[in-house]
Formats: sequence, structure tokens, C-alpha cells
Amino acid sequence: RKEVEQDPGPFNVPEGATVAFNCTYSNSASQSFFWYRQDCRKEPKLLMSVYSSGNEDGRFTAQLNRASQYISLLIRDSKLSDSATYLCVVLKGGKAAGNKLTFGGGTRVLVKP
Amino acid sequence: DTEVTQTPKHLVMGMTNKKSLKCEQHMGHRAMYWYKQKAKKPPELMFVYSYEKLSINESVPSRFSPECPNSSLLNLHLHALQPEDSALYLCASSQESFGTGLNTEAFFGQGTRLTVV
Repeated sequence: RKEVEQDPGPFNVPEGATVAFNCTYSNSASQSFFWYRQDCRKEPKLLMSVYSSGNEDGRFTAQLNRASQYISLLIRDSKLSDSATYLCVVLKGGKAAGNKLTFGGGTRVLVKP
Repeated sequence: DTEVTQTPKHLVMGMTNKKSLKCEQHMGHRAMYWYKQKAKKPPELMFVYSYEKLSINESVPSRFSPECPNSSLLNLHLHALQPEDSALYLCASSQESFGTGLNTEAFFGQGTRLTVV
């Protein structure tokens, strides 16, 4: 089983609609969680960190469920510019783990007019 | 400033060449990373340095040799590569987690697109 798993999609989303997708992780000792977005042939860019209480940044809402070991990302009022691959990243830090940042396979989102 | 600078942006090298990729950050981050990314795949962790010491080597072949000369710089020395090593090589940096997981967002450079011929 992969350490971090995502539905690869693509999620075809009408402009203005809401889309949500999850990421599951296998290591219960994972400490920090992030969503990155990556555009074609570009580097991953941090979208948001994911906190236990859930957090929102504009049209984006992230949730963490430690009991079920998944995080989620919801995008409201989708824009054409939201088309990208969304990467779930999990950190297992500390001296033993050595700051291991592991990526999920990515979820492709295509927003269409 | 959340900038991580990688040079060169593009590199074409023969299988007998020796080359180096460079990465620099001035955010005071003490964890630095090398990732390899093939087309349509996620980044794959290669190495992690924490306080200039190698903390993770994900069983990377010895033809890739990392070096962290100081807290701002990270190099990846390449020797006798194979065509299948062609990929985007990404450098990233973050604060050291100290086991807390706090403030550990990683920032990525634009990458070096490597082609081995």
C-alpha cells in the first residue's frame, strides 16, 4: 500500500461549481499535512497547510481527519485558473524520520467554461 | 522571501559526463531536499539534509551524490547517468521540524530539467 494515496481524476468541473477530493495516508505517526498545486511543467507550489481544526483560505477549505487518516480539499466557485494537479503532502518529522516529506500521486482538476 | 533558486534550469549531458545541480535558499531553513519527478508522476524523494547532515537517502543509486556545503546551499553531483535518469530535479527547503511538525511548509525551486543522451 502506498504511504499517501489520491484519486488521480481527472475531475471535470464546470466553472463556478464546487469540487472536493480526499487523500489518505497510511502512517498514523504523520505529523503535518499540506496541499500543493502543480501546473504543467512547473514546480509544486504550496496551496495551504492543513490543521486539525480545519482551515479555510478564500475559496479553498482543507480538513484533517486523524481518526480515519485522511485529508480533504474543497474548492468553491471554481475558476478556470484552478485547473491543475493537486498534490497531497505528508510530513513525518523528527530525528528518527529525518523530515520525510511524501507526496501523493496527485489529483488532476480540469475546470471547464 | 520564499525563494529557492536552482541552477541550471536545463541541462543536457552525455552518459560519461560529470555535472552538478545547484540549489540555494536564504530563508534560514535547515532542512533541504532533492526530489526527482518524471512526466505525469508525483515528485519522488531522493535525499534529505537536516542541519547540513544527510538524514534520508531513499536508496538512490551512487551515480547521484548529494552535498550540503553550508546551510544555504545544496548540490547534486551527477556522474555516469543513464537515459532513464532524465527527469525534472526539484530542490526544496523547510524549517526543521524538531519532531513537532510545526512550521514545516516546504518551498520548491523551479527545478532543473535534465536530459541524459
